[in-house]
Amino acid sequence: GESVGLHLPTLSVQEGDNSIINCAYSNSASDYFIWYKQESGKGPQFIIDIRSNMDKRQGQRVTVLLNKTVKHLSLQIAATQPGDSAVYFCAENSKLVFGAGTILRVKS
Amino acid sequence: EAEVAQSPRYKITEKSQAVAFWCDPISGHATLYWYRQILGQGPELLVQFQDESVVDDSQLPKDRFSAERLKGVDSTLKIQPAELGDSAMYLCASSLTGFTGEQYFGPGTRLTVT
Repeated sequence: GESVGLHLPTLSVQEGDNSIINCAYSNSASDYFIWYKQESGKGPQFIIDIRSNMDKRQGQRVTVLLNKTVKHLSLQIAATQPGDSAVYFCAENSKLVFGAGTILRVKS
Repeated sequence: EAEVAQSPRYKITEKSQAVAFWCDPISGHATLYWYRQILGQGPELLVQFQDESVVDDSQLPKDRFSAERLKGVDSTLKIQPAELGDSAMYLCASSLTGFTGEQYFGPGTRLTVT
């Protein structure tokens, strides 16, 4: 069936470096994607979204890239900070399917 | 800043007991979602409401779970009887529309069934 999954369960980066979190999806008809951040003990928080008619979208320190050919999403975080430490989920919104999550750990 | 409210934040119950969770979405948000999140996994949609109507409850274990949003505002999710495997975080979220758009999540209710 349709699924949204993440490649790496844990990512450790040095403070100040850039982070890249990847996500694969299987439903080629998916047309809207969202990245969420979930800190310990809290609900997920919206980071950025992208529609399938776009390849790239930028926010504040974050960029989402969409490659429809290989059904792949990535979230890039520039100048990673300790406050970025969290679990990151990609979600395919039309069916509200979340991937398993990637833990981002930022080392000071 | 408007937030989604949930209560209780923590609940410990014995198996076979009934338990209920409450959610108050952001004012004006027509769409309300209940998710279950098992530790180490992503949220799993249980039920989606558009106003007072259920849009999707295909993943809701209807033999023991029920959800209602009678006046199209706040919502209650009930489990009866609770089982050990129901231990999880129960998240409520709301959004302006149900098709696309940002979902705003509440802090969740952590359920432990003993």
